[in-house]
Amino acid sequence: GAGVSQSPSNKVTEKGKDVELRCDPISGHTALYWYRQSLGQGLEFLIYFQGNSAPDKSGLPSDRFSAERTGGSVSTLTIQRTQQEDSAVYLCASSLGQMVYEQYFGPGTRLTVT
Amino acid sequence: GQSLEQPSEVTAVEGAIVQINCTYQTSGFYGLSWYQQHDGGAPTFLSYNALDGLEETGRFSSFLSRSDSYGYLLLQELQMKDSASYFCAVRDHSSEALDMGRRALTFGSGTRLQVQP
Repeated sequence: GAGVSQSPSNKVTEKGKDVELRCDPISGHTALYWYRQSLGQGLEFLIYFQGNSAPDKSGLPSDRFSAERTGGSVSTLTIQRTQQEDSAVYLCASSLGQMVYEQYFGPGTRLTVT
Repeated sequence: GQSLEQPSEVTAVEGAIVQINCTYQTSGFYGLSWYQQHDGGAPTFLSYNALDGLEETGRFSSFLSRSDSYGYLLLQELQMKDSASYFCAVRDHSSEALDMGRRALTFGSGTRLQVQP
């Protein structure tokens, strides 16, 4: 079956511009996560959606970052007024309900802010 | 909060056995997961331990000791394709975390495994 998909795969933007990153989770997965990974580093948690519950936004680094999930499926991560330090790979993952420990990751979006 | 420690790099030769350790500190423990990530690729789930002991899946095994807040990933009969980064991850299951609605995983910084011929 189809895995987690993300678009675009690469995004180059100028400092100060807004960007939107899209994630399409595995069908039937109610939990969706966004992470950020800088080159050679670990995964930094950003935000987590579970069903219709309020999202866990505790990892968002600033108010320039926001995310939404429409219809319990597709999610969009928005970064406003991008900064060079936002350059990273943004990974989306999904899981079955409360099976937080077994997450399925998408290929990521490599964001470069010039 | 949670913190995890794992070695930054490990080198081994083909056919050998390697153990990647992970120690964690969390105010409420729910289980230890392991993920593999090849360069340029996405992390993929390897194993999960909720109880003490060894879980075996083919050439890979994962161990957990809750009393020691410690786990490891054991890779046997190493192959060149095993060269990758390996991450341990925990979920904070403390009442404080749940009250905050925090249910996501915290990942370690990763161990880069280099398998040499």
